[in-house]
Amino acid sequence: DAMVIQNPRYQVTQFGKPVTLSCSQTLNHNVMYWYQQKSSQAPKLLFHYYDKDFNNEADTPDNFQSRRPNTSFCFLDIRSPGLGDAAMYLCATSRDRGQGETQYFGPGTRLLVL
Amino acid sequence: DAKTTQPTSMDCAEGRAANLPCNHSTISGNEYVYWYRQIHSQGPQYIIHGLKNNETNEMASLIITEDRKSSTLILPHATLRDTAVYYCIVIRNYGQNFVFGPGTRLSVLP
Repeated sequence: DAMVIQNPRYQVTQFGKPVTLSCSQTLNHNVMYWYQQKSSQAPKLLFHYYDKDFNNEADTPDNFQSRRPNTSFCFLDIRSPGLGDAAMYLCATSRDRGQGETQYFGPGTRLLVL
Repeated sequence: DAKTTQPTSMDCAEGRAANLPCNHSTISGNEYVYWYRQIHSQGPQYIIHGLKNNETNEMASLIITEDRKSSTLILPHATLRDTAVYYCIVIRNYGQNFVFGPGTRLSVLP
């Protein structure tokens, strides 16, 4: 039973062409996160939504935006992808934002920028 | 940024216990220790977490030292499918912002 779903698993885009990655969840969790994971590196948090409240990490480039139209869906928009944005993008959810709240990750979308 | 240190890599024989250490000497009293693993090209998978007491579930056991400055994840009978990168994470603040360190690459050998 898929709980955090990311589509597509692989996405190819061109340099500078906007791209949107999607994430959906069947857990009815309040919090949704987006992480970037470059090759051979650990995941790095870009931002998260607590319900409709958007929380950006201080070092997340402006090129990255996010939308959460409802509880179940969250989108990652890359306005002008550069070669350095090629990475695995991971979506995660948690029921709430307090201590002891487990995050559940999707399978990720691997983005290739040509 | 990471508040944890782990060995870069470890090997374990199939069927034996895998003991993965993690140092978190600056942990605060209300910070949890989480363990996740990531099998190649998949999303991180939750394993276990704890605050002060030792914890056990169907996947693993977590042993936290009394001073909470270190912990050990134990996979009691490692299989080839346990080959993965294992991340020890201490939550940075109330906002539940995970900061992943480089993790330990565990190789289970036949």
